[in-house]
Amino acid sequence: GNSVTQMEGPVTLSEEAFLTINCTYTATGYPSLFWYVQYPGEGLQLLLKATKADDKGSNKGFEATYRKETTSFHLEKGSVQVSDSAVYFCALSDNTNAGKSTFGDGTTLTVKP
Amino acid sequence: EAGVAQSPRYKIIEKRQSVAFWCNPISGHATLYWYQQILGQGPKLLIQFQNNGVVDDSQLPKDRFSAERLKGVDSTLKIQPAKLEDSAVYLCASTPLAGLTDTQYFGPGTRLTVL
Repeated sequence: GNSVTQMEGPVTLSEEAFLTINCTYTATGYPSLFWYVQYPGEGLQLLLKATKADDKGSNKGFEATYRKETTSFHLEKGSVQVSDSAVYFCALSDNTNAGKSTFGDGTTLTVKP
Repeated sequence: EAGVAQSPRYKIIEKRQSVAFWCNPISGHATLYWYQQILGQGPKLLIQFQNNGVVDDSQLPKDRFSAERLKGVDSTLKIQPAKLEDSAVYLCASTPLAGLTDTQYFGPGTRLTVL
């Protein structure tokens, strides 16, 4: 079956540091890929997405590129802020199976001033 | 636009009791999902509806869990009888169409504790 593997956390960074959260996937066909974020006390919300190989999703300074050859969708941000502290989930939607979704286990990011 | 509504927000029950959760998706959204999120893990899909039909329920423990989506709008997830390992947050999400590339919109979740 499909699976998503995320870099284990927690991750602690200082403000303005560079962030990478690794995500790799296993899926049949060509899934759509997503990063969702859960801020403290809030529900899951979409951060960015990419629907085909080589697409780059971006939002709020975060970026991720759909790499089919390495089956990866790593999340990056050049300069993190305290307000980026949250749990980040990588997910895929299986386009060959009615959009069935599979999520990673999440990576907790804490940014210190 | 109103978001996905869920109730109750919290529920504590004893094992072997039954419990039901309710979800009202965003108006006009055809697809509705129920997920189980155990502490420290990502959401696991339990069941996916498109309108009032089931698209996928392969990970739903059908001996104790059931779900319905009457009239293709709101939905109810039931557990009967509950076990200790059912303690989790139950998330409801919806998308406008079949979810292939659509963003899922999540509700706040129901936190279930089984004692």
